[in-house]
Amino acid sequence: QVQLVQSGAEVKKPGASVRVSCKASTNTFTNYYMHWVRQAPGHGLEWMGIINPNGGSTNYAQKFQGRVSMTRDTSTSTVYMELSSLRSEDTAMYYCARDLEMATTRPRHAFDIWGQGTMVIVSS
Amino acid sequence: SYELTQPPSVSVSPGQTARITCSGDALPDQYAYWYHQKPGQAPVMLIYKDSERPSGIPERFSGSTSGTIVTLTISGVQAEDEADYYCQSADSSGTYPVFGGGTKLTVL
Repeated sequence: QVQLVQSGAEVKKPGASVRVSCKASTNTFTNYYMHWVRQAPGHGLEWMGIINPNGGSTNYAQKFQGRVSMTRDTSTSTVYMELSSLRSEDTAMYYCARDLEMATTRPRHAFDIWGQGTMVIVSS
Repeated sequence: SYELTQPPSVSVSPGQTARITCSGDALPDQYAYWYHQKPGQAPVMLIYKDSERPSGIPERFSGSTSGTIVTLTISGVQAEDEADYYCQSADSSGTYPVFGGGTKLTVL
């Protein structure tokens, strides 16, 4: 069973950028789409975007367009999410999550395996 | 933007049946998925494609759909089922996933 292991917590100042990593435990990394979902303290889940590790194509939620970038490194089975121009409202737990479908077809946009989460705190 | 609506809270006694609803205009055209999340943990998929259960999920969790409403049913609720429950689907184009606001299940 594949596991997704994320990088550790981050504390950033407003206006800075943060990069969170998510490493898959198996070499089937390129077989599945990967998503990023965030959750502000005491709030619900919010989808940020998707990356196809097999090629690197991305699609971002409109809310984050221009501020988010998702990339991947196939040699290390790792996907990255970078969020720029941070503000206090970006304080949240950030999760990577695997799509239910393999990347040979359209994504299902559902999430069967999740990383453990990375807490990002934005504070002056 | 597209929204999925869930009740904020549901309470049930142990052994009873809990039903959590989720409504959305595109649900007749898009599959629904359910997750639960316990404090300090990542979400876990409970139901996919409206009514399918991933391996390892107990049979007491089931999903159903009727028009613009999907329902998660938990039969014989146990204390360990106390958690936040989220429905999830996609917009009418199937391009953008959307989550419901979440329902806190309290086991009395």
